[in-house]
Amino acid sequence: EDQVTQSPEALRLQEGESSSLNCSYTVSGLRGLFWYRQDPGKGPEFLFTLYSAGEEKEKERLKATLTKKESFLHITAPKPEDSATYLCAVPAGGTSYGKLTFGQGTILTVHP
Amino acid sequence: GAGVSQSPSNKVTEKGKDVELRCDPISGHTALYWYRQSLGQGLEFLIYFQGNSAPDKSGLPSDRFSAERTGGSVSTLTIQRTQQEDSAVYLCASGQGGETQYFGPGTRLLVL
Repeated sequence: EDQVTQSPEALRLQEGESSSLNCSYTVSGLRGLFWYRQDPGKGPEFLFTLYSAGEEKEKERLKATLTKKESFLHITAPKPEDSATYLCAVPAGGTSYGKLTFGQGTILTVHP
Repeated sequence: GAGVSQSPSNKVTEKGKDVELRCDPISGHTALYWYRQSLGQGLEFLIYFQGNSAPDKSGLPSDRFSAERTGGSVSTLTIQRTQQEDSAVYLCASGQGGETQYFGPGTRLLVL
């Protein structure tokens, strides 16, 4: 069974204090790993897709990396507006191309 | 361009009543997905439509839940005889049939 585990559950940072969020996964035949950002009361907003170990993608203060067992979302010099829940997800193995299995998310709070 | 839209944004109903939730996907997207997000449960896959193929209903929690997609565009998720445990945010997403899914704002359902 596909599993996605995110840690920590919650992370509090001071503005400018860099850190990383972790996403560990177990899936048969990884066909991509997705990162989303979710603000309170809104739907998840797509950030990145990573397809193979060693791949990295960046967007503003965020950089996502991927290994064979986990992904990291690095946040450099965060600002209060980066506060949100960050979700990672993987497509189901086998033939169910549509189903995404999500982690429980990391709630990030950045204090000014 | 226009994103995924969902209506209503909030719905309060009484236990035992039927509800219909609507999703308008991004124009041109062939794939449409429904998820449910509950406190403590994370995002759960419900159903997936891809073009004219038979939908993947493997995530529907009971036979009280059903969904239709008309004309390859708009979708309706119907919950019959609602129960209090159905209270959640129902999220719709659409995509091109590849892996990236773009989410709507969700419908917040409260069953009293």
